[in-house]
Amino acid sequence: EPEVTQTPSHQVTQMGQEVILRCVPISNHLYFYWYRQILGQKVEFLVSFYNNEISEKSEIFDDQFSVERPDGSNFTLKIRSTKLEDSAMYFCASRAGQITDTQYFGPGTRLTVL
Amino acid sequence: AQKVTQAQTEISVVEKEDVTLDCVYETRDTTYYLFWYKQPPSGELVFLIRRNSFDEQNEISGRYSWNFQKSTSSFNFTITASQVVDSAVYFCALSRGFQKLVFGTGTRLLVSP
Repeated sequence: EPEVTQTPSHQVTQMGQEVILRCVPISNHLYFYWYRQILGQKVEFLVSFYNNEISEKSEIFDDQFSVERPDGSNFTLKIRSTKLEDSAMYFCASRAGQITDTQYFGPGTRLTVL
Repeated sequence: AQKVTQAQTEISVVEKEDVTLDCVYETRDTTYYLFWYKQPPSGELVFLIRRNSFDEQNEISGRYSWNFQKSTSSFNFTITASQVVDSAVYFCALSRGFQKLVFGTGTRLLVSP
């Protein structure tokens, strides 16, 4: 069964460093999302992406964040200058083209900022 | 604005007990979608069910059942004869369709042998 994959599974970085989190959505999906979950808290929306542009973003998704679909398969989230409070689990999700379709999530990348 | 409330932070049951997880939502949309996701200790988010706002039929899948009531804006989830493997955090979520999922704060279910 097709699934969303994410790499790395765990990333440790120093405060102020740039990180890129990678996702490979399900191949025929058209809508892509990033969410984050601070340890023990709820899952929060960051950004949605469709037709090679951002379709919606949350207040969390400030200028430090960017997303890109550099080729036909990868979908990346870049954090330019990480802060301690960026430590969280980051989930990528994708969905097909119908409004009734479900978002399927990847296994997540745990980001630890020291 | 959309909002999902899961008032039960944590529930502990003994194996084989039935348990119901509550979910109350708020939305001004007439068309919306409701979801349940399971997050086991390994951390991934596993899709369980999607419900459309225009379909109030309850659904049963094995030991799982869902009760959707628009009159009370609730979408409750019942596990019958719980098992240790059901131990996880369960999230209820709401969306307008193509847009983001709005999650509740989750209910941690602990099933002990």
